[in-house]
Amino acid sequence: GAGVSQSPSNKVTEKGKDVELRCDPISGHTALYWYRQRLGQGLEFLIYFQGNSAPDKSGLPSDRFSAERTGESVSTLTIQRTQQEDSAVYLCASSLSTGGQVYGYTFGSGTRLTVV
Amino acid sequence: AQSVTQLDSHVSVSEGTPVLLRCNYSSSYSPSLFWYVQHPNKGLQLLLKYTSAATLVKGINGFEAEFKKSETSFHLTKPSAHMSDAAEYFCVVSDLRSPEKLTFGTGTRLTIIP
Repeated sequence: GAGVSQSPSNKVTEKGKDVELRCDPISGHTALYWYRQRLGQGLEFLIYFQGNSAPDKSGLPSDRFSAERTGESVSTLTIQRTQQEDSAVYLCASSLSTGGQVYGYTFGSGTRLTVV
Repeated sequence: AQSVTQLDSHVSVSEGTPVLLRCNYSSSYSPSLFWYVQHPNKGLQLLLKYTSAATLVKGINGFEAEFKKSETSFHLTKPSAHMSDAAEYFCVVSDLRSPEKLTFGTGTRLTIIP
């Protein structure tokens, strides 16, 4: 597609439920990133996929968070047993190969997650 | 570890006057620096980037930034503000040791006064 697409755009869930967030990167972008943006704060790195290499999961805040990517396309971020502190905007970004530093990263519009 | 400090959480300027958004960084390795803009209900958009080439970087919409190693700064400027510049601006750093991990500042909200 023309840009990075994320769904849903908004999600309200009850505490303790599991949620799945989806990201469709730009076609041809082999690198895909997930970030979290809490209210009034900058973005926190969560996880990074590059082609078929093992993902860099060093930013995941707890074992309730996991992410998968199918080849070089769609990625899903799963949060199990959601807590109120998980409420944030979850942003996905993609870039050409490992060229984010050169080409820049294209961000989606995010999924706003609210845990009640 | 790398870090970014955006010195102002909120900046207000009158339309047609200069804009200055301040950013200081910390990095143990050769940094790459970016400015991103986030308009309400829209995704982050890359304004400009510094990757060890020219220290004065020109971006979209008339914005530019100057990399000053001696001051560890990467301030964003624009000669004349436009109403459409009202948005949240993020200064971002990455370095050679972890090039794919972006470290974001906490953001500066720019308000344009008519």
